[in-house]
Amino acid sequence: EVQLVESGGGLVQPGRSLRLSCAASGFTFDDYAMHWVRQAPGKGLEWVSGISWNSGSIGYADSVKGRFTISRDNAKNSLYLQMNSLRAEDTALYYCAKVMSPYYYDSSGYYLPDYWGQGTLVTVSS
Amino acid sequence: AIQMTQSPSSLSASVGDRVTITCRASQGIRNDLGWYQQKPGKAPKLLIYAASSLQSGVPSRFSGSGSGTDFTLTISSLQPEDFATYYCLQDYNYLWTFGQGTKVEIK
Repeated sequence: EVQLVESGGGLVQPGRSLRLSCAASGFTFDDYAMHWVRQAPGKGLEWVSGISWNSGSIGYADSVKGRFTISRDNAKNSLYLQMNSLRAEDTALYYCAKVMSPYYYDSSGYYLPDYWGQGTLVTVSS
Repeated sequence: AIQMTQSPSSLSASVGDRVTITCRASQGIRNDLGWYQQKPGKAPKLLIYAASSLQSGVPSRFSGSGSGTDFTLTISSLQPEDFATYYCLQDYNYLWTFGQGTKVEIK
């Protein structure tokens, strides 16, 4: 059974940093790209960042570029999001998500998320 | 970045109604689009991928269509468990974008 468990959220002051983690199990983690998606309270879904299976391709939303860093440790089956210079507008529930197809499916695969964690809440406030 | 314009933002419908939600992309995205259902306090659930392929385990009353810039999610006969918020998501490039969401409420 695929499981994604986020951790590391909490209350943090504006301008400070926080590191989120996502522990994966139930699938071959190093075969899949992974993403972070967030949802502010009462708002819609917003893609934050994504990383390929081998960390060779990484992308960020404009709203977090230069402040957030995504990484993964395939040996530990873990995904991370280092969040620096946090702002009030970063307050949200942060989900990690696994894509549908492993990297070796290449162009015949599908790369939308099919499994999500339950999220970790980040609150940025003084 | 590719913008996804989803409409309507909300709708009221009755059990048994046919419901249609649309998403328009700011540029062509082939069929690189999915539809998600989200219920309060829960993570999103994948319904449709590649614009029209039904995810395993999803009831056949859900269907998707479209290609290029215009996409549609249809629920053929709305059931009580379908009252939720629905989002489209494009994965044409590595910079995903979601639609704004459509809240389906009970009339």
